[in-house]
Amino acid sequence: AQSVTQLDSQVPVFEEAPVELRCNYSSSVSVYLFWYVQYPNQGLQLLLKYLSGSTLVKGINGFEAEFNKSQTSFHLRKPSVHISDTAEYFCAVTPLDTGGGNKLTFGTGTQLKVEL
Amino acid sequence: SAVISQKPSRDICQRGTSLTIQCQVDSQVTMMFWYRQQPGQSLTLIATANQGSEATYESGFVIDKFPISRPNLTFSTLTVSNMSPEDSSIYLCSVESGWTSTDTQYFGPGTRLTVL
Repeated sequence: AQSVTQLDSQVPVFEEAPVELRCNYSSSVSVYLFWYVQYPNQGLQLLLKYLSGSTLVKGINGFEAEFNKSQTSFHLRKPSVHISDTAEYFCAVTPLDTGGGNKLTFGTGTQLKVEL
Repeated sequence: SAVISQKPSRDICQRGTSLTIQCQVDSQVTMMFWYRQQPGQSLTLIATANQGSEATYESGFVIDKFPISRPNLTFSTLTVSNMSPEDSSIYLCSVESGWTSTDTQYFGPGTRLTVL
């Protein structure tokens, strides 16, 4: 079984400041990792995913995340945030190649609030 | 990418009644999933729906409570039966075009259910 921990339920930040949203996971098997964003009253949208290769993954809207296997972390970062980045961010994992599709295990989410 | 619509977008229901939620995709997909997002909590997978076979339910979810249909490759329904206030949640469907864990999962906008 897998579990995902997002320690920060809310992160307030000023516009144009950098931000890091933390994600740690636990799994007895290797996993793929994902970050999703949920804007108010909308469905989840994939920001980025780590499958293999370079541990630094770049996604949409200027976000990036770094996979650290030894620390079982997959923190999300953005060097300069915008008001439009205000949303809920979810980290998720799925076991490698289950053949039954992505049974995603989600963290509890981090509400990013960007202020002027 | 896939465009997913859900009906209804929200509903308020009485205890003991049932509600059927529809999920429509603009392209044929192999895997469809149903998730629940309880207030202040993360997404939890209810079941996986494959066309032509019975849905596969996750631990804690049963067919009598959450019957699912998947009549074709673009449509699925989830019924929340004999509802109680504890069923108040956002219900989301998601889809995948492939069978492996590397495929991107796309989410619908969700159905916000309130049970009185």
